[in-house]
Amino acid sequence: GEEVAQTPKHLVRGEGQKAKLYCAPIKGHSYVFWYQQVLKNEFKFLISFQNENVFDETGMPKERFSAKCLPNSPCSLEIQATKLEDSAVYFCASSLRPPTSLVEQFFGPGTRLTVL
Amino acid sequence: GQSLEQPSEVTAVEGAIVQINCTYQTSGFYGLSWYQQHDGGAPTFLSYNALDGLEETGRFSSFLSRSDSYGYLLLQELQMKDSASYFCAERADDKIIFGKGTRLHILP
Repeated sequence: GEEVAQTPKHLVRGEGQKAKLYCAPIKGHSYVFWYQQVLKNEFKFLISFQNENVFDETGMPKERFSAKCLPNSPCSLEIQATKLEDSAVYFCASSLRPPTSLVEQFFGPGTRLTVL
Repeated sequence: GQSLEQPSEVTAVEGAIVQINCTYQTSGFYGLSWYQQHDGGAPTFLSYNALDGLEETGRFSSFLSRSDSYGYLLLQELQMKDSASYFCAERADDKIIFGKGTRLHILP
């Protein structure tokens, strides 16, 4: 599609439950990025993909967070055993080119995760 | 680690000009981008500077000085719809690192 699509728009989970978020990048974009934004503040980089391969995962809390981008499927971000501090808006972005030559990332509308 | 500094809030009057500053750390620096985010919305790209100087796109301009590790976003002829948060983002090594954002309030 012509826009980055993210589902669901809102997600509510009890502490300790699993949360799974989905992202469909713009058709033809090879790079996908996940960010976490807490309380409208800065965007914390989580992970990036080049097609189905992890490009950079230095921002991922490895213990509970995982992500995949499989061929012909939306990308996903999964949080096992959610904690209160995971409450945030999770944005997915896609780009045509890698960060080393990047000018613009196109962001999806975000998924608001609330952990109770 | 990398960090960017920008004011948390700026207030300006409709029709006026406002400048939002951003300073960054230089390790691995490639360029500076600006994004706009309205409440509840997705960030949208405004501009990118890799070289020193001014880039103009309509009412919005962005400036970079690599020697000063400094850039700014200039918004002219402010409109009420420009009320939003503005983020500078540094492209450093293989990453895009965002500042904490500047909330722009516009008074009628």
